[in-house]
Amino acid sequence: EPEVTQTPSHQVTQMGQEVILRCVPISNHLYFYWYRQILGQKVEFLVSFYNNEISEKSEIFDDQFSVERPDGSNFTLKIRSTKLEDSAMYFCASLGALVRTKGYTFGSGTRLTVV
Amino acid sequence: GQQVMQIPQYQHVQEGEDFTTYCNSSTTLSNIQWYKQRPGGHPVFLIQLVKSGEVKKQKRLTFQFGEAKKNSSLHITATQTTDVGTYFCAGRESNYGGSQGNLIFGKGTKLSVKP
Repeated sequence: EPEVTQTPSHQVTQMGQEVILRCVPISNHLYFYWYRQILGQKVEFLVSFYNNEISEKSEIFDDQFSVERPDGSNFTLKIRSTKLEDSAMYFCASLGALVRTKGYTFGSGTRLTVV
Repeated sequence: GQQVMQIPQYQHVQEGEDFTTYCNSSTTLSNIQWYKQRPGGHPVFLIQLVKSGEVKKQKRLTFQFGEAKKNSSLHITATQTTDVGTYFCAGRESNYGGSQGNLIFGKGTKLSVKP
């Protein structure tokens, strides 16, 4: 079963520092997403990415956030200046071409702790 | 914006009892998906419902999509300890312009099963 891979599994960073969360989506998938989940809460949409550009973003995804697909395989989420409230589990997800028949495949997540 | 509400937030059952979680959307959905997240894990896709009034079964799990495509339910018959986790519904708006709307998750129902 193909997997979405995320690294690192856990990142601890000081407030104000930049972090980059990395994801390797399933190779033939076309749509890529970042979601986050604050401990014990719901899964919140951050951003979707298709055809090498952002297709939609939520209110959470402000100027501090950016995404890139630098080399056709990795999909990264950058937070420029982390805040305490950015502490959460960040999930990457990807979706193949058959958007109407398949669910998202989520990675195992990166737990970001901002101290 | 679109909201997806899910009840109950928590459900504690004795092994062997049935369990149901309900999902309601503020807008008409093109489809609804259900995910299961085990404690400490990531959301795993269970099923997608597309048609009005659709009912699908996976062993002890029965999924329904309302006639108006604004609500859905997941029913588990005779729960087992392996059913423990949080069950999320996630909906995509039907009148979204462009390639596809993004999934908006409900808050989830956390199921615990006492052996």
